[in-house]
Amino acid sequence: DTGVSQNPRHKITKRGQNVTFRCDPISEHNRLYWYRQTLGQGPEFLTYFQNEAQLEKSRLLSDRFSAERPKGSFSTLEIQRTEQGDSAMYLCASSLEGGRVEQYFGPGTRLTVT
Amino acid sequence: AQTVTQSQPEMSVQEAETVTLSCTYDTSENNYYLFWYKQPPSRQMILVIRQEAYKQQNATENRFSVNFQKAAKSFSLKISDSQLGDTAMYFCAFMKGSNPDKLIFGTGTRLQVFP
Repeated sequence: DTGVSQNPRHKITKRGQNVTFRCDPISEHNRLYWYRQTLGQGPEFLTYFQNEAQLEKSRLLSDRFSAERPKGSFSTLEIQRTEQGDSAMYLCASSLEGGRVEQYFGPGTRLTVT
Repeated sequence: AQTVTQSQPEMSVQEAETVTLSCTYDTSENNYYLFWYKQPPSRQMILVIRQEAYKQQNATENRFSVNFQKAAKSFSLKISDSQLGDTAMYFCAFMKGSNPDKLIFGTGTRLQVFP
């Protein structure tokens, strides 16, 4: 049973560019979550999906952020017109609805905006 | 709104000793879950232990155990026989039980295990 995978692991981009991250959850997990973690802080919730439906978005998720999970499997998180304040670790997690509630995390994508 | 507070930014312990990490939380929910996650340096978040609020018995997982005090809204993690591999950031997290969704994390405690 493979775990949650995320790509790329590292991304360096210039301010104003668009970036897209991908998350592949554990295969039978129908819930998928995105979190953002800045240095020295705990992860903060951004959004989550149940199958392909996006059920909740945090106020942290500005209009420049969009997330999709088109077929209820992998998900993408896009940040448009990146700003230096977007520099962070972006974590993806998955869980199985109706069963155990634990969320299993991927290794994260570290974004650096220069 | 729920909040999670970890008041110990850093802790250290000698190998084979016992250490306790503190966590308090605030919620008006009666049904919820509490978790401890471990994040080793440059590695991914790993679930250490979970506790259901409706269970009075404290959860244990090998060398890891919790002291769950529901009335005091306290959820501490005890690590027995500390090992060098326990060196990591430890995060306490809360999740509503009624419709389990997002985790709310504390700011973490950096634990260093010394030989």
